[in-house]
Amino acid sequence: QQQVKQSPQSLIVQKGGISIINCAYENTAFDYFPWYQQFPGKGPALLIAIRPDVSEKKEGRFTISFNKSAKQFSLHIMDSQPGDSATYFCAASEEGSARQLTFGSGTQLTVLP
Amino acid sequence: DAGVIQSPRHEVTEMGQEVTLRCKPISGHNSLFWYRQTMMRGLELLIYFNNNVPIDDSGMPEDRFSAKMPNASFSTLKIQPSEPRDSAVYFCASSSQVGQPQHFGDGTRLSIL
Repeated sequence: QQQVKQSPQSLIVQKGGISIINCAYENTAFDYFPWYQQFPGKGPALLIAIRPDVSEKKEGRFTISFNKSAKQFSLHIMDSQPGDSATYFCAASEEGSARQLTFGSGTQLTVLP
Repeated sequence: DAGVIQSPRHEVTEMGQEVTLRCKPISGHNSLFWYRQTMMRGLELLIYFNNNVPIDDSGMPEDRFSAKMPNASFSTLKIQPSEPRDSAVYFCASSSQVGQPQHFGDGTRLSIL
């Protein structure tokens, strides 16, 4: 059973546009929601993370929005750049599981110049 | 700073052969994770160590897979005998303690012919 559902599978955005990737989870015990960025031939790298005590977290052009009641969270990339082209994974973990991450299926983002 | 180091970066071998993947976590990190990434199943956690002790190996697909962590600076993932369906990218990740962000290596791309 997939516990974190991610959409869309792929996304094409013009340079300067806003990229939005959505994730939904089922396990209400999840309390840590990171986003990872992966370039071809590289491992995933932590981009930004949020805990459910806040509804939004912003770091530069990257923002996580979190809706606890809907069990959804999303990544917004403002002023998208060609260098942002990568695969993005949402993830979730719960304290009781020793922080093992459950990953979404990934979104391949392409930012056109 | 040296990140998580994995070797080899690429491995091509014939079905039935033994395969050994290696990982050196970030110095001082005491949690180590092995993941497998495929197009069909995404990122899957195989096994997790804390302080060199395997904590959860429920993600290990079969008895053909085994993992060891003989000391704090080295871990191996072994597949014996290997099968074509084992072809994937295998990632190792480490964190400074349970609950802290995981840092991934660049992976081993394994192809079983």
